Amino acid sequence: QITLKESGPTLVKPTQTLTLTCTFSGFSLNTGGEGVGWIRQPPGKALEWLALIYWDGDGRYSPSLKSRLTITKDTSKNQVVLTMTNMDPVDTATYFCGHRPPAVVHFDSWGQGTLVTVSS
Amino acid sequence: QTVVTQEPSFSVSPGGTVTLTCDLSSGSVSTSYYPSWYQQTPGQAPRTLIYSTNTRSSGVPDRFSGSILGNKAALTITGAQADDESDYYCMLYMGSGIWVFGGGTKLTVL
Repeated sequence: QITLKESGPTLVKPTQTLTLTCTFSGFSLNTGGEGVGWIRQPPGKALEWLALIYWDGDGRYSPSLKSRLTITKDTSKNQVVLTMTNMDPVDTATYFCGHRPPAVVHFDSWGQGTLVTVSS
Repeated sequence: QTVVTQEPSFSVSPGGTVTLTCDLSSGSVSTSYYPSWYQQTPGQAPRTLIYSTNTRSSGVPDRFSGSILGNKAALTITGAQADDESDYYCMLYMGSGIWVFGGGTKLTVL
């Protein structure tokens, strides 16, 4: 059974850097083809794909946010970390991580999400 | 910038059939975009319904089906039930490890 859980601050100030951690179980990011992605959803708005990291450490980013995002993995801890710089109130959202199985291009399992509010 | 468009809202009667669509600003949606569909109720994480155009995820009832209709991806619900009332999102794979979600459709069953 695959599980994912997001963790991180619930409140950040404008201009600060956000660091979120996705802790997962049921698969290994050492396995070829595996991937973990981040998706966010502002209150009352649509889902937005942010980034994904592959088993080999290759990270891919939304073109519109690429300059602000970094995704990394710690295979020994079964964790994926997303950092987003220069946070703004418009970045207030629930942030989800998701599992992308090998050889497919969708997310089959999702974390419960974590709400991050950007406010001074 | 790539924009993926869905109907903002749709209504269906219990037992009825509804087709939600997913359109691409830059052209036609084909199987090469590996369209996937997600169901989300308020306060919950998305649930994967359909992937690779028409493959149902494990445990998804067969009243949900995916297809390409004309130049759009489509999600059809046949025999809608009350608990199908949710938000539905399509997601397209743009290649090179890039994905884009649609704006979502709010489905009402009444």
